[in-house]
Amino acid sequence: DQQVKQNSPSLSVQEGRISILNCDYTNSMFDYFLWYKKYPAEGPTFLISISSIKDKNEDGRFTVFLNKSAKHLSLHIVPSQPGDSAVYFCAASVNNAGNMLTFGGGTRLMVKP
Amino acid sequence: GAGVSQSPSNKVTEKGKDVELRCDPISGHTALYWYRQSLGQGLEFLIYFQGNSAPDKSGLPSDRFSAERTGGSVSTLTIQRTQQEDSAVYLCASSRDRGDEKLFFGSGTQLSVL
Repeated sequence: DQQVKQNSPSLSVQEGRISILNCDYTNSMFDYFLWYKKYPAEGPTFLISISSIKDKNEDGRFTVFLNKSAKHLSLHIVPSQPGDSAVYFCAASVNNAGNMLTFGGGTRLMVKP
Repeated sequence: GAGVSQSPSNKVTEKGKDVELRCDPISGHTALYWYRQSLGQGLEFLIYFQGNSAPDKSGLPSDRFSAERTGGSVSTLTIQRTQQEDSAVYLCASSRDRGDEKLFFGSGTQLSVL
């Protein structure tokens, strides 16, 4: 039973355009959400997060949107750059649950020059 | 060190052998996690250590898997009698404390069971 799902295994975007990566979750107890970025042969690195008390968080070219009623979050990257090409994982946690993150399956983003 | 260090980076073993994977977390981080990523899959939680508390072992897939964390720092993940389905990238992560969900990951150990 996957509690966090990323239904698109891959996404291809032209440089300069917007990349939108989607994530859905089923556990209504999740109250903190994160995006991680992973390059080949490296561990995932933290990118951006959002608490359930917010519906948007922005950091430079990266914005995360949270729709609690739909149990959906998305990561927007604009403008996309070739260096953004990586696998993006969304993750969720329940407060006071030992910080155990539940990860989605990842979406491979390819930004074409 | 500056980041989470894992060793070995690659391990090839024969079915039935035992393997030990090592993780050096970031100095001062009290929380340590093991995850694994099988080919084409997401990250699967295995075990979590927080300070001197009993670890959360709820993600370990079978009793062939065990982990320990000595002195609140270095951790080893042991897989006994390895099976081919154990082949995956084993990732270790640490965070400052229980309240910090921003995990810092190591580069992982690629385990291949032949």
